[in-house]
Amino acid sequence: SYIVTQPPSVSVAPGQTAKVTCGGNSIGTRSVHWYQQKPGQSPVLVVYDDRDRPSGIPERFSGSNSGNTATLTVSRVEAGDEADYYCQVWDSSTDHPVFGGGTKLTVL
Amino acid sequence: QVQLVESGGGLVKPGGSLRLSCAASGFTFSDHYMSWIRRAPGKGLEWVSYISRSGTPRYYADSVKGRYTISRDNAKSSLFLQMDSLRAEDTAVYYCARLAPDNSSPSFDYWGQGTVVTVSS
Repeated sequence: SYIVTQPPSVSVAPGQTAKVTCGGNSIGTRSVHWYQQKPGQSPVLVVYDDRDRPSGIPERFSGSNSGNTATLTVSRVEAGDEADYYCQVWDSSTDHPVFGGGTKLTVL
Repeated sequence: QVQLVESGGGLVKPGGSLRLSCAASGFTFSDHYMSWIRRAPGKGLEWVSYISRSGTPRYYADSVKGRYTISRDNAKSSLFLQMDSLRAEDTAVYYCARLAPDNSSPSFDYWGQGTVVTVSS
């Protein structure tokens, strides 16, 4: 089965740029989606199909995907961006969705 | 606006059963694949099951296959998850989620607020 790997944690100062990675074999050939989950809340889709944003998601959230790594970039980080972030792809061999283990973004 | 409202969670003993429901509104329910996803305490998101627009096919994670059954009632815009032979490791918040339409690799574009399932003696 297909496996995607995320770092457990990323820390960044307010106003700086945070990058959350999602690694997988030739992940650049797959569509990657990103979710934000704040404590006590449901997950929210922040980036889909590698780089598209749903309506209502700030432009500060952007995505890229190439080779073996997909990246969620949060620019001009705010305290309110502190959350767990998950990448998600589809395993074409099983038709099952696969989530990364999640990355806790801490705003210093 | 799209709304997904889960219900049916609770405390159940190991080996017991529980049936979760998800009431959908604000969109044409029968146009979308639907899914259940869970998050256990201290763990990340885990996909559980999803179901096609018509009700078949249905897919399950290996961790629940043979114990859980997903179903839907398009006339009532409702999604269900029958959970049998429950184990302590099934303890989690269970989310109902909608799959985005018209995509071979869809995202989960809307999520419910979740319902808590606790399996303990």
